[in-house]
Parts: sequence; structure tokens; C-alpha cells
Amino acid sequence: KAGVTQTPRYLIKTRGQQVTLSCSPISGHRSVSWYQQTPGQGLQFLFEYFSETQRNKGNFPGRFSGRQFSNSRSEMNVSTLELGDSALYLCASSQATTSGGRETQYFGPGTRLLVL
Amino acid sequence: DQQVKQNSPSLSVQEGRISILNCDYTNSMFDYFLWYKKYPAEGPTFLISISSIKDKNEDGRFTVFLNKSAKHLSLHIVPSQPGDSAVYFCAASKNSGYALNFGKGTSLLVTP
Repeated sequence: KAGVTQTPRYLIKTRGQQVTLSCSPISGHRSVSWYQQTPGQGLQFLFEYFSETQRNKGNFPGRFSGRQFSNSRSEMNVSTLELGDSALYLCASSQATTSGGRETQYFGPGTRLLVL
Repeated sequence: DQQVKQNSPSLSVQEGRISILNCDYTNSMFDYFLWYKKYPAEGPTFLISISSIKDKNEDGRFTVFLNKSAKHLSLHIVPSQPGDSAVYFCAASKNSGYALNFGKGTSLLVTP
């Protein structure tokens, strides 16, 4: 099976712009989660989608949003970019066969975003 | 508020010896724990997990131990190999959701 794929791998934007990142989960996986990794804060949970609905949300401002499509592919959007949004954005997928969180999440390679 | 802590930023071990990576957590609602390995500019790779109903789980050279009363888990790698050199992240989740809470990571260096 192919792993989680993310596009683009690298992105350079300027402050005030917006950006859309894409994630394709492992085939058959129905849950997609997004994480932000920065040197200072480490890996932080952004949000999780299942059946096109956001089920869980981390502690990030409303500038960060996402969506999931009927084929489980997901996108995340960051509007009005700030310098501090420079980070590695990781997408992870899981099968979501249970109602709870006891499932392994498999990560993609990430999108490296640089905001100038 | 860091609910998962890896207090050792780095660890150096000789090839063939045991590597022990530690992780502490503060939230008693966590009941599923995972270890990931990460190379620079790549996504984390899943290594091993343990549910709170167990106290040990083994997979080849990797063993995870969970001490619920101490809110502590550890990853043992035996024997350590140079290819194990990477950053290791401990993560925890609650049964009620899919959000993984990560530690800041421990950089393991295995020297020949």
C-alpha cells in the first residue's frame, strides 16, 4: 500500500498570503489528522477529520482551517500568514475502525512552509 | 502545557548496547501510547505502541514498558544499531479522541 502523501513538499510564501496544503491518506484510512512541528513548540495537533467532519481541534487560531473530501483526502488552509507559521506541517491517517483513539496514526513526509 | 515530557534531549549509546529512552506524562486520561522515530525533513515513522491495559509490548528489537502508577513509559532498543540514530518521539492519546500529544523528542546517536 502506498503511504500518506503530501503536496507540495516545500512552499515559500510572504506574510499576509494564504496557503493550502494537501494530504492523501493511506488507502482505506478514513481519519486524517494535521500537526504542526516547530523547533520551539515541537509537534502540535491542529485538527482531525473523519467522514468529512472535523471531530477534534487543537489550540490554534481560526486562521487555520481544514476540510476532508468524500474520498478521505484532506486539505488544510492557513490564511493571513504570519512569520511564526513557518513550520513543517504533517498529515497523518488512521483506519478509524473504532470509536476512540486507540489507533496508530501513520504520517506523511510533511510540507515545509517558509513564511517571509 | 506539555502533558508528555521527554526530559533527555539526547542520548549516545555504543552499537550493540541497550538504548533506553524515557517518557513521562501528566494526564491520567491518556490510555494509548506510541513511539515514533523521525529523521530530519521526514515524517515520523511508527515504531511501537502500547495500550494502558498492558505493561509491556515487544516487537523485534523494540520493547515498550508502561508504568501507569508512575505515569512513565520507556522504549528499549536491544541491540542498538547505527541505523537507529534518529530523533525518537513519545506520543499519547485519550480513548475519546485522535489527537496525539507529543513529547519534544530525544535524539539518539548510536556509535560504532
